Amino acid sequence: DAGITQSPRHKVTETGTPVTLRCHQTENHRYMYWYRQDPGHGLRLIHYSYGVKDTDKGEVSDGYSVSRSKTEDFLLTLESATSSQTSVYFCAIRPGQGEETQYFGPGTRLLVL
Amino acid sequence: DAKTTQPTSMDCAEGRAANLPCNHSTISGNEYVYWYRQIHSQGPQYIIHGLKNNETNEMASLIITEDRKSSTLILPHATLRDTAVYYCIVIHAGGTSYGKLTFGQGTILTVHP
Repeated sequence: DAGITQSPRHKVTETGTPVTLRCHQTENHRYMYWYRQDPGHGLRLIHYSYGVKDTDKGEVSDGYSVSRSKTEDFLLTLESATSSQTSVYFCAIRPGQGEETQYFGPGTRLLVL
Repeated sequence: DAKTTQPTSMDCAEGRAANLPCNHSTISGNEYVYWYRQIHSQGPQYIIHGLKNNETNEMASLIITEDRKSSTLILPHATLRDTAVYYCIVIHAGGTSYGKLTFGQGTILTVHP
């Protein structure tokens, strides 16, 4: 395994509440990614980071924000959770410097009621 | 990034080799072929990648045709634990910091006892 943990692994929350998911790596990799996976859509990129305090939007970023204050942590926040954000969320890391391989975490299952 | 085509599903007997094909006829000269798999409810797992030459690691072998328009992932001795969805992905070498992976529908490999 690539030294990636995600927390929590499972969460049930109510519509309108804020939710923060954490991705933690021990590899000191530069790039970090948040994806969501839904039936019929495969994995879709939400946000990514290319360094501390350097982040950018992916293809499905509406309703999500991210922060990266340390190399090892990448936080995904749902400011006001909606039922459409019920999904499995995966974090991934990539070394950079021409290395394209991404390594994925175990995922977080989020249910918004 | 080039589009890939894979069979929807394949079966394999335990202990036999599993050969998973992938068509990437529009691949360009500086694009890698990557293979990932996803076992139910887990994060995608990196298997192997290659540019032009055939590659082998502890998990699998990757055979890329001379014209690079197709490739085959070989699991030499499939076990029940290899039952998963296998994704073939083409990625631009030395790509941008974006590094987004586009997962298609993949091939559902079922290994039978």
